[in-house]
This record gives sequence, structure tokens and C-alpha cells, in this order.
Amino acid sequence: EDKVVQSPLSLVVHEGDTVTLNCSYEVTNFRSLLWYKQEKKAPTFLFMLTSSGIEKKSGRLSSILDKKELFSILNITATQTGDSAVYLCAVVGFDIAGTYKYIFGTGTRLKVLA
Amino acid sequence: EAQVTQNPRYLITVTGKKLTVTCSQNMNHEYMSWYRQDPGLGLRQIYYSMNVEVTDKGDVPEGYKVSRKEKRNFPLILESPSPNQTSLYFCASNPNPGLAGIYRETQYFGPGTRLLVL
Repeated sequence: EDKVVQSPLSLVVHEGDTVTLNCSYEVTNFRSLLWYKQEKKAPTFLFMLTSSGIEKKSGRLSSILDKKELFSILNITATQTGDSAVYLCAVVGFDIAGTYKYIFGTGTRLKVLA
Repeated sequence: EAQVTQNPRYLITVTGKKLTVTCSQNMNHEYMSWYRQDPGLGLRQIYYSMNVEVTDKGDVPEGYKVSRKEKRNFPLILESPSPNQTSLYFCASNPNPGLAGIYRETQYFGPGTRLLVL
């Protein structure tokens, strides 16, 4: 059965700290891995990763994928209170018929204290 | 403005009373899907549609129906809602393949519909 596991479930840090969020997966016919940020509304897209070892960066956020070990990490440096959210990891499985399905992890809830 | 809209945003209903949650996108996207989000379970895909008249079951399709008669709309139908369908529902659509600089898998989510079934 396909699954995506995120850890930790919840994290509380102070502003300025660096955090690392983990996502491991077991998904047949892996296509890509996506990270989303969800505040009190719909998820918003952060990164898509398809190749191992290539870091994606956007400001203080960065992410990398290891397809051999089947995991990804999301790093946030110099955290700010505005980073407080649930971070979701999703893996896209792709089949030969051209359809793809999404498997989401349960998310990591990050709270950044001022 | 490119967007995915859902209606209603909040709904309280009773067991067995049929309801429909509408979803519409104005980006000419082919791929659309429905999710439910529950505490501790994350987002789970209910149904998805690759294009008009093409729909497939996701991970949790029981108790739900969908239709895709036109590209922009993808309604979610609960024929006989039950309390275990109380949840937060999201509709999403994906960019079409072949668009330069756009990842096909990145989803645009609607604002969500919070449903309570009594």
C-alpha cells in the first residue's frame, strides 16, 4: 500500500531557529514529490522535486530529495512567526495509462514563537 | 484572476439529505480532483478526473459521486450523507501538460468546504 510518512508531527521553535521537516515514502511508480504550506485555508505550493540530490530553494526555504533512500527534507532557516503552519508532503504516483494519483502525508505542524 | 472556486464554503446538513458541492476553475485545466481532510489523516483523494467524461476513484470514494460534463466544473455529490462524511473538502485542478515552465503536478486548491453532517 502506498504511504507517505511525515515527521515530526508537531514542532515548536523560537524565531531565528532552523528547522528540518522529514518526509519518507513508499509509492509505486514514483513521479514527483511536492511540499505544500497550509495555514488556516487551502494548501499553497512550495516545491516540486523529481531528481535526487538537487536542492530547490526559495528564500529561507529549501528542499532536497533522496530517491534511493525514499525521503525528502524541507529546511527552514531563520524561522519567523509567519512560518507557523502545517507543512504537507505529497507524492505523485504515475501509471502507464497516463493517470496520476496523489498520496499526502498527515503533515507537520510548525509553530514559531516570537 | 486564475482561481478554483467552491460552493458552499460551509454546510450543515442532516443524515440522508442529498447534497452537492460545486467546484469550478477558470484556467482550462484538464485534471481536477476532490480531497477530504481529517485530523490525523491528512488529505485523502476521493475522486479525480483527467478530462471531460473521464473520472476515476481515489483512495476514499465510498459514499461519493462525481461528474465531469464540462471542463471547468467538477461537482462532488453525496447521495445520502452520513456523519462520518463530516470533514473539510478541497477541490483542486492541475495545469495541462506541455505548458512551458509549469509543473503539471502542481495543484491549485479551492478555498475548502467545511461540511457537518448531523
